[in-house]
Amino acid sequence: GNSVTQMEGPVTLSEEAFLTINCTYTATGYPSLFWYVQYPGEGLQLLLKATKADDKGSNKGFEATYRKETTSFHLEKGSVQVSDSAVYFCALSDPYNQGGKLIFGQGTELSVKP
Amino acid sequence: IAGITQAPTSQILAAGRRMTLRCTQDMRHNAMYWYRQDLGLGLRLIHYSNTAGTTGKGEVPDGYSVSRANTDDFPLTLASAVPSQTSVYFCASLMGSHYGYTFGSGTRLTVV
Repeated sequence: GNSVTQMEGPVTLSEEAFLTINCTYTATGYPSLFWYVQYPGEGLQLLLKATKADDKGSNKGFEATYRKETTSFHLEKGSVQVSDSAVYFCALSDPYNQGGKLIFGQGTELSVKP
Repeated sequence: IAGITQAPTSQILAAGRRMTLRCTQDMRHNAMYWYRQDLGLGLRLIHYSNTAGTTGKGEVPDGYSVSRANTDDFPLTLASAVPSQTSVYFCASLMGSHYGYTFGSGTRLTVV
């Protein structure tokens, strides 16, 4: 079945450091891929998405490229800020096999220190 | 403001009691979902509804039931709460498979 695997957290970085959170997926169809962010005490918000191979999603300085050959969708940011501290979830949606339901990774907690 | 409203925000519930978590959306999305979020386990799908009048079981449906009488409302009921149902519950809706979910702000439930 479809699944998403994220690198384990927590990840602790200093402000202005480079961020990579790895995400790989298994899917039988042609999924869309998403990154969601959850700030402390809040619900999940869509951060970025990519709907086909080689697409790059970007938002708020974050980027992720849909790599079909490596089944990956790694999240990157060149210079993190304290305000980026949150839990990040990678997810996929396979309309042909799951009717659009999202399957989530387990989440990666990011803590950015000043 | 378009979005999803969940109620209550938090609740402490005695074991064995019945509880309904409410979820209402005003975006006219067809598909709606209930997830629970537990530390170290991420989000797990409880039940879903692809359209009004239909529901389906997710990954962890036991102890929960849902109904979808209309497009806007998707309540989640715990018939007889148990401590293992202590969790944060999120309702979500979907406009289309390429758009991702819109989430509510969650209900923090503690069963004692």
